[in-house]
Amino acid sequence: AQTVTQSQPEMSVQEAETVTLSCTYDTSESDYYLFWYKQPPSRQMILVIRQEAYKQQNATENRFSVNFQKAAKSFSLKISDSQLGDAAMYFCASFYGGATNKLIFGTGTLLAVQP
Amino acid sequence: ETGVTQSPTHLIKTRGQQVTLRCSSQSGHNTVSWYQQALGQGPQFIFQYYREEENGRGNFPPRFSGLQFPNYSSELNVNALELDDSALYLCASRLGYRGGAMGGYTFGSGTRLTVV
Repeated sequence: AQTVTQSQPEMSVQEAETVTLSCTYDTSESDYYLFWYKQPPSRQMILVIRQEAYKQQNATENRFSVNFQKAAKSFSLKISDSQLGDAAMYFCASFYGGATNKLIFGTGTLLAVQP
Repeated sequence: ETGVTQSPTHLIKTRGQQVTLRCSSQSGHNTVSWYQQALGQGPQFIFQYYREEENGRGNFPPRFSGLQFPNYSSELNVNALELDDSALYLCASRLGYRGGAMGGYTFGSGTRLTVV
């Protein structure tokens, strides 16, 4: 079965500091995509960053970057220069084409940003 | 470019009733997926529609059904509501049937369903 695991239910970071959220996944597929989504209290899932599995280079989007370790099936999110607006629930998700053709989410990490 | 809109935002129903949730996909998107997010959990895939046909289904009973219309908007219907159906229901749209994931899913803000 394809699974996504987030082992940190809650994390806290000081404003302007750096925090890393962990995610591991399990699959036998060779072609897949990985995502980090942010869900603020407004409930809308907002795409933070995405990574194609076939790319070795780690994706970056401004203050957000990932550490993609394909052999270890690990996909962590690093948030640099944390801001109060970064406080939210963060979900790691995987997408597989073919017969699966759906997003599989982890259970989420609640990030608090302390002023 | 409009995003994904869902209605209603909140809903309270009684056990055994039926409910219909609605979703307008983002302009240009022809694929709509529905997810159930229980409190404190990650979203779980219910089903997906592509050009008015269901092309994927998660582990949900048949009383969860859906429709997609020619304008690519969609409905989620749940019959014989149970207390465990209380959750946030998210709709997501994207362009493409397969391999379009990198075009990204756009999510709505969800419908909060409470079954009492």
